[in-house]
Amino acid sequence: DIQMSQSPSSLSASIGDRVIITCQASQDISNFLNWFQQRPGQAPKLLIYDASTLLPGVPSRFSGSGFGTNFTFTINSVQPEDFATYYCQQYDSLIAFGPGTRLEIK
Amino acid sequence: EVQLVQSGAEVKKPGESLTISCKASGYNFASYWIFWVRQLPGKGLEWMGRINPRDSSTNYSPSFQGHVTISADKSITTAYLQWSSLRASDTAIYYCASTRHVPWGQGTVVIVS
Repeated sequence: DIQMSQSPSSLSASIGDRVIITCQASQDISNFLNWFQQRPGQAPKLLIYDASTLLPGVPSRFSGSGFGTNFTFTINSVQPEDFATYYCQQYDSLIAFGPGTRLEIK
Repeated sequence: EVQLVQSGAEVKKPGESLTISCKASGYNFASYWIFWVRQLPGKGLEWMGRINPRDSSTNYSPSFQGHVTISADKSITTAYLQWSSLRASDTAIYYCASTRHVPWGQGTVVIVS
């Protein structure tokens, strides 16, 4: 089974900061990676698929990159509504989620 | 509208059976896998398993294999997650999702106590 890890597990940021989250797969998953946002009390929301493609309607301050085993999720200029938990998910072999990164207000 | 709508919250006793549902609309249900995700209180997302509605083939996470059953009825574009004997540790929110880029279901809260 493919295992996913994320770093950091939590971070604090101020409005306007740039935030970077990394995700690592235990084996090569090509670009079969999603990034989700989950706000408290809500279902997860898909932001990025195929490692770097934004869903329509997702603000351009969100971006993703990477291939193989190492991936990065970036928020340029964090906004108040971005404080949430973020998960990576591989879909190269079945499905597996990373443990999540909680983004909090500093 | 493209959506997944799940059945309502459930409160059950240990040992009881339960089936929760996920109704899809607005897209070709049979063309995309449906998968189920568990979220324990205050914890992360766990993939449970998936079903291909076209032929009802399934895959399960080893963590859930044998404890839950995933099924689907493509005639009514609905997927199901079933337990034959619930445990207190099954208390969680359960989400359904599609491999098509549609919003996840709203989640079904299951309390076993």
